[in-house]
Amino acid sequence: DQQVKQNSPSLSVQEGRISILNCDYTNSMFDYFLWYKKYPAEGPTFLISISSIKDKNEDGRFTVFLNKSAKHLSLHIVPSQPGDSAVYFCAASENYGQNFVFGPGTRLSVLP
Amino acid sequence: EPEVTQTPSHQVTQMGQEVILRCVPISNHLYFYWYRQILGQKVEFLVSFYNNEISEKSEIFDDQFSVERPDGSNFTLKIRSTKLEDSAMYFCASNPRQLQNTQYFGPGTRLTVL
Repeated sequence: DQQVKQNSPSLSVQEGRISILNCDYTNSMFDYFLWYKKYPAEGPTFLISISSIKDKNEDGRFTVFLNKSAKHLSLHIVPSQPGDSAVYFCAASENYGQNFVFGPGTRLSVLP
Repeated sequence: EPEVTQTPSHQVTQMGQEVILRCVPISNHLYFYWYRQILGQKVEFLVSFYNNEISEKSEIFDDQFSVERPDGSNFTLKIRSTKLEDSAMYFCASNPRQLQNTQYFGPGTRLTVL
């Protein structure tokens, strides 16, 4: 039962261009969403969050968009840099709880 | 910058043995978590801990698992009788009180059960 899906296992983008990472969820009770990135041999690193009362949150090069009716969120990275190459996970929780359900991740490669 | 640390980085054990994975969360954090990631699979929530008790746990966190904060700095995950399928990366995370949903992860402990 995949409550959080990231249907693209990998994505390649040219340096300087926009990276768009997508995430879909099935549980309508999810109300808080996080994006993490993970480098090999390291733990996930928090990037950005969004609650269900918003449809957009921006932090520097990172913007997360939430479409509640479509149960879809996306992470935009502009401009993409080679150091952004990592696996990106979206995660969601119910009732602003601590039990985060993670997606399977998307491996982003930013090509110089 | 303060960070979450975990020891050991790699633990190898025989099936049926007990293991204790150790974490030192960031010092002023109050919420603590364990996650695991089986090789090639997604990160899975195990348990959250606040005020010296479990606040949430997943179906994975059965009776063979326990957590403890034995002193003011360490946060441990014990697996009583390891199984082959417990082989995974185990990540500890902690939250500052003010930003409850921004979790800071440690580098992980790779557990290999033979």
